[in-house]
Amino acid sequence: DTEVTQTPKHLVMGMTNKKSLKCEQHMGHRAMYWYKQKAKKPPELMFVYSYEKLSINESVPSRFSPECPNSSLLNLHLHALQPEDSALYLCASSKQGVEETQYFGPGTRLLVL
Amino acid sequence: AQKVTQAQTEISVVEKEDVTLDCVYETRDTTYYLFWYKQPPSGELVFLIRRNSFDEQNEISGRYSWNFQKSTSSFNFTITASQVVDSAVYFCALSEATKAAGNKLTFGGGTRVLVKP
Repeated sequence: DTEVTQTPKHLVMGMTNKKSLKCEQHMGHRAMYWYKQKAKKPPELMFVYSYEKLSINESVPSRFSPECPNSSLLNLHLHALQPEDSALYLCASSKQGVEETQYFGPGTRLLVL
Repeated sequence: AQKVTQAQTEISVVEKEDVTLDCVYETRDTTYYLFWYKQPPSGELVFLIRRNSFDEQNEISGRYSWNFQKSTSSFNFTITASQVVDSAVYFCALSEATKAAGNKLTFGGGTRVLVKP
């Protein structure tokens, strides 16, 4: 089973709202990732968690706040977003190691009004 | 810094034609890993293949085949007898070892494949 699930599928929020994206995997992977993908562009890495600890933050603005409550769950808390933050947000997971394959979820399409 | 280039931004073919997607990469690492992903309109990135730098064997999986040539830093992907369901964006990616835990993927810009009936 190589399934990563993400909720919600779609999200519309105002610039003053607070919302959260959720990601879950049950493959026993200990590395989890958030990516942002704008239309017609490749995914861009935002955060990497390894063993529930934040290991990479690609200089993401503080209005995006990741959280890894346990080895299966990854959240992305959103607050005071801008319209340019509208994008597809993808979660992925993998075993540890540079050789390991990242498996992606279906993504959350976010629209900020 | 690592770099992946997919020179073809869009390819349009008629069903049953073959289509080859080019991928050229740059890295200073002696050991590295290359991937191909498919992204249909639904948005999910679907893993297709992983290849490590010390295994230059070409691979065939059904209608898909991959040609890895270390001498030219290329990892090309061919779809044989294309079908409408192959319509998607295809990304080539290179895995980068980091000092921090977790790996980083450097993606190419993607090639959009449109298969017409």
